[in-house]
Amino acid sequence: AQTVTQSQPEMSVQEAETVTLSCTYDTSESDYYLFWYKQPPSRQMILVIRQEAYKQQNATENRFSVNFQKAAKSFSLKISDSQLGDAAMYFCAYRRLGNQFYFGTGTSLTVIP
Amino acid sequence: DTAVSQTPKYLVTQMGNDKSIKCEQNLGHDTMYWYKQDSKKFLKIMFSYNNKELIINETVPNRFSPKSPDKAHLNLHINSLELGDSAVYFCASTLAGVRNEQFFGPGTRLTVL
Repeated sequence: AQTVTQSQPEMSVQEAETVTLSCTYDTSESDYYLFWYKQPPSRQMILVIRQEAYKQQNATENRFSVNFQKAAKSFSLKISDSQLGDAAMYFCAYRRLGNQFYFGTGTSLTVIP
Repeated sequence: DTAVSQTPKYLVTQMGNDKSIKCEQNLGHDTMYWYKQDSKKFLKIMFSYNNKELIINETVPNRFSPKSPDKAHLNLHINSLELGDSAVYFCASTLAGVRNEQFFGPGTRLTVL
């Protein structure tokens, strides 16, 4: 069964600094996608970034980037130049062929001014 | 234009009552979901429909009954509400294809008194 693990329930970062959120997953599939979602206090789930398993190049979206290590089944999210608006719950998610998504338990990120 | 909408956004009710939450998506997606997010922020899949057909039915009390009148709608009816049903319920939708992310509704905060 697919599982997604986020081992850091809480993280904090100083404004303008960089923080990395960890995610590991378990799968025997070769074709899948990985996603990071952000859930701010408004509770709306927002897609931050996605990564295709077949692509070796790490995805980047502005200040957000991933470190995708396929062999290690690791998919961490790096937030550079952290801003107060980055404070949120972050969820890692996995999708293989089919319709089911698997979510991690989330990491609560606090940004310290 | 709202992509995935849910009504109501807040629902406060007494134990034992029956209530419904409605979800609509205007994205042309073929798969819709219901998730329950508890106080610890864990996201738990409840149901999924693909083209109006039930494809995921996790271990959920049979007091919960989903209904999909068409591909754009997935409603959730809850009978005999219990205190433990208090949570935020999210509707989501996606397209078939492993690269496609889920789009989430704004959530419905259900409080059972």
